[in-house]
Amino acid sequence: DAGVTQSPTHLIKTRGQHVTLRCSPISGHKSVSWYQQVLGQGPQFIFQYYEKEERGRGNFPDRFSARQFPNYSSELNVNALLLGDSALYLCASSQALPTDTQYFGPGTRLTVL
Amino acid sequence: DQQVKQNSPSLSVQEGRISILNCDYTNSMFDYFLWYKKYPAEGPTFLISISSIKDKNEDGRFTVFLNKSAKHLSLHIVPSQPGDSAVYFCAASEQWGGSEKLVFGKGTKLTVNP
Repeated sequence: DAGVTQSPTHLIKTRGQHVTLRCSPISGHKSVSWYQQVLGQGPQFIFQYYEKEERGRGNFPDRFSARQFPNYSSELNVNALLLGDSALYLCASSQALPTDTQYFGPGTRLTVL
Repeated sequence: DQQVKQNSPSLSVQEGRISILNCDYTNSMFDYFLWYKKYPAEGPTFLISISSIKDKNEDGRFTVFLNKSAKHLSLHIVPSQPGDSAVYFCAASEQWGGSEKLVFGKGTKLTVNP
């Protein structure tokens, strides 16, 4: 079975631009969570979606938004990019909430110049 | 304020010996803990988990121990293999209103020398 997939693998943007990252969960998984990992730190929670509804949001500015589609895939959008948004963005999926193991995708490496 | 702490940024062990990775937490509401392994250019891979109702969970070469009173958990790898060289993240599950987020430590880079 395919694991969590994310696209693109890498991308480079400039300050002020907008970016959309995509995630497809493991088949049968209905929950998707997004994490940001900056260099030297552990992943930090951004959003959680379950059955297309936002279930949780971390301490990130409103420039960050997300949504989940009927097929359970998800998009993370970041507006007005800042240099500090450069990070590895990880998507994780789980079958259900609240307690179920989260499985991570390979991540999208975003560089903001 | 870091709620999950991995105080050793790195650890080096010989192949065949035991690797012990440590993790401390401050939030007594955490009741489920996980260890993830991460290779460069890959996402974290789930290794093993433990519920707060247990003090030990074992899966092959990997054992996780939980000491609730000390708010401390550790991951033991026996015997260590060169392929175990990676960054290991300790994570705690925080649940609220039917949601769950993982709170991660900063990671410990394990190097297993042949």
